[in-house]
Amino acid sequence: AQRVTQPEKLLSVFKGAPVELKCNYSYSGSPELFWYVQYSRQRLQLLLRHISRESIKGFTADLNKGETSFHLKKPFAQEEDSAMYYCALVSSVNYGGSQGNLIFGKGTKLSVKP
Amino acid sequence: DTGVSQDPRHKITKRGQNVTFRCDPISEHNRLYWYRQTLGQGPEFLTYFQNEAQLEKSRLLSDRFSAERPKGSFSTLEIQRTEQGDSAMYLCASSLVSGQDTIYFGEGSWLTVV
Repeated sequence: AQRVTQPEKLLSVFKGAPVELKCNYSYSGSPELFWYVQYSRQRLQLLLRHISRESIKGFTADLNKGETSFHLKKPFAQEEDSAMYYCALVSSVNYGGSQGNLIFGKGTKLSVKP
Repeated sequence: DTGVSQDPRHKITKRGQNVTFRCDPISEHNRLYWYRQTLGQGPEFLTYFQNEAQLEKSRLLSDRFSAERPKGSFSTLEIQRTEQGDSAMYLCASSLVSGQDTIYFGEGSWLTVV
């Protein structure tokens, strides 16, 4: 089964501290992975995708196929990073008919304290 | 705001009643998706359209649910004979063609069944 696991429901850090939001996946093939973010009272939006290998708002994520992980990292957290973060996987095979659709983890709430 | 728009934003209904949600995708986006999100969970795929064709439906979509996109533009999601378990946020999203393209989400429609 294709699955995305985010083991932490809540992660609380102080401003300036490093952040790592964990994401593990189960997928039989070459996955395409994303991080989505939802700030308070805003819509869900794409933060970054692994194929573009870019850094957005200081966040990076590396796909580790050996560990089936796609952890989101930022060296110095800011208060405005406080939000709900979802890791997601695109099903690129016709698994259960969900071709091309996102499979989300349950999310991790990041709280950055001053 | 030319993003994905959803209406109504909030709906409270009595058990057994029918409800309908509308989604207007970003213009020129061919794909339109419906997701459901309950408290403490990530969004779960329900169905998607490529233009006016409904290409896939999740097992989550019972016979009481029906979605349409008659002219390949806006879409409606109808829930008949609502049950308390239908209480959730219903999210609409759109993209240009496939999972390779960025998926943009609406703000969602909150349904409470009492």
